[in-house]
Amino acid sequence: SYVLTQPPSVSVAPGKTARITCGENNIGSKSVHWYQQKPGQAPVLVMYYNSDRPSGIPERFSGSNSGNTATLTISRVEAGDEADYYCQVWDSSSDHQVFGSGTKVTVL
Amino acid sequence: EVQLVESGGGLIQPGGSLRLSCAASGFIVSSNYMNWVRQAPGKGLEWVSVIYSGGSTYYADSVKGRFTIARDNTKNTVYLQMNSLRAEDTAVYYCARRFCSGTSCYFDYWGQGTLVTVSS
Repeated sequence: SYVLTQPPSVSVAPGKTARITCGENNIGSKSVHWYQQKPGQAPVLVMYYNSDRPSGIPERFSGSNSGNTATLTISRVEAGDEADYYCQVWDSSSDHQVFGSGTKVTVL
Repeated sequence: EVQLVESGGGLIQPGGSLRLSCAASGFIVSSNYMNWVRQAPGKGLEWVSVIYSGGSTYYADSVKGRFTIARDNTKNTVYLQMNSLRAEDTAVYYCARRFCSGTSCYFDYWGQGTLVTVSS
């Protein structure tokens, strides 16, 4: 089964770039999806199939996936981007959804 | 507009039972893959269960044999029957629609969640 490893926290200054990683052996062969969760709120899909943005998600959000690491990149970070971010893959062998451990993004 | 509204959470003693409901609007539950995902206090997301459009169900190992997912097509509602509850089941339970295309699946709509607290 998959174990998706994320850094517990990422700190970034406003206007700079935040990169959130999601690691697993050969994750590049899977499709990775990302969710943003603000305190007290439900998760919101911000990236699907590695690099596709749902409608309403700013172009500042982008994604990539290769080798053993998938990355969610937030450019020109704003205070409103402060949240927990989770990666997720579908384990087709068990039909289970697997989430990463989550990364707290703090805007300095 | 798609909406998912959970209800039924509360305080329950260990060993007790609780049934959560998820009322959907804006789409037909029986034509979609409906899931429950939970989040323990201060912890990450954990997938719990799914019911497919064809009626098949799957569960995380942590709840298998204790939880049952079901739906009522006439009410466009999904349920999670939780039996033999343990302290470690304490969490916010989210209802979420899963969308699958090609080689993967993701959750495109989530409810606001309902809190289940298992404690004596």
